[in-house]
Amino acid sequence: DAGVTQSPTHLIKTRGQQVTLRCSPKSGHDTVSWYQQALGQGPQFIFQYYEEEERQRGNFPDRFSGHQFPNYSSELNVNALLLGDSALYLCASSGGSLSNTGELFFGEGSRLTVL
Amino acid sequence: KQEVTQIPAALSVPEGENLVLNCSFTDSAIYNLQWFRQDPGKGLTSLLLIQSSQREQTSGRLNASLDKSSGRSTLYIAASQPGDSATYLCAVNMNTGFQKLVFGTGTRLLVSP
Repeated sequence: DAGVTQSPTHLIKTRGQQVTLRCSPKSGHDTVSWYQQALGQGPQFIFQYYEEEERQRGNFPDRFSGHQFPNYSSELNVNALLLGDSALYLCASSGGSLSNTGELFFGEGSRLTVL
Repeated sequence: KQEVTQIPAALSVPEGENLVLNCSFTDSAIYNLQWFRQDPGKGLTSLLLIQSSQREQTSGRLNASLDKSSGRSTLYIAASQPGDSATYLCAVNMNTGFQKLVFGTGTRLLVSP
């Protein structure tokens, strides 16, 4: 049973560019959340997708957007990259109809470096 | 606004010691609390999940307790091993129905042989 998978694992961009990160949830999960983790900090909630809609958003600007596909996979897009966007981006999945305990499962993350 | 604090920020112990990591939160209206392990540059591995109605959960050498009314949780690690070296993160799931986690900044643990 594959867990949460994310791609790419590492990428380098320059200021002003755009980036797309991808996530496939754990089998049986229908909800995908994205988190940003700066070095030495705890992860910060960006937004959550359920039934292909954004249903809650953290304190992040509109440069951060996302999408969820019918197969529950998700993308995180960041436009007009800033140096401060350099971080580890984590995807978490949860939900589903069987024994939903509210536990979140995380992927290995995508390390974004903005130069 | 929910705030989560973890003490200590870093901890260094010799192999074999029992240790306790602390987590406190300001708003007791939580749905559940999760403890995670994070190795350098890696993602988060879920260790234990405690529902708001529970007092503790155990998995192997790990035991997590929850005192919701006082806003505290502890993670007890018995007979520590060098392989336990990692950052341990506490996260509370607010009672919003949306499974949104609020994290502490973690405790960095080093277990020396």
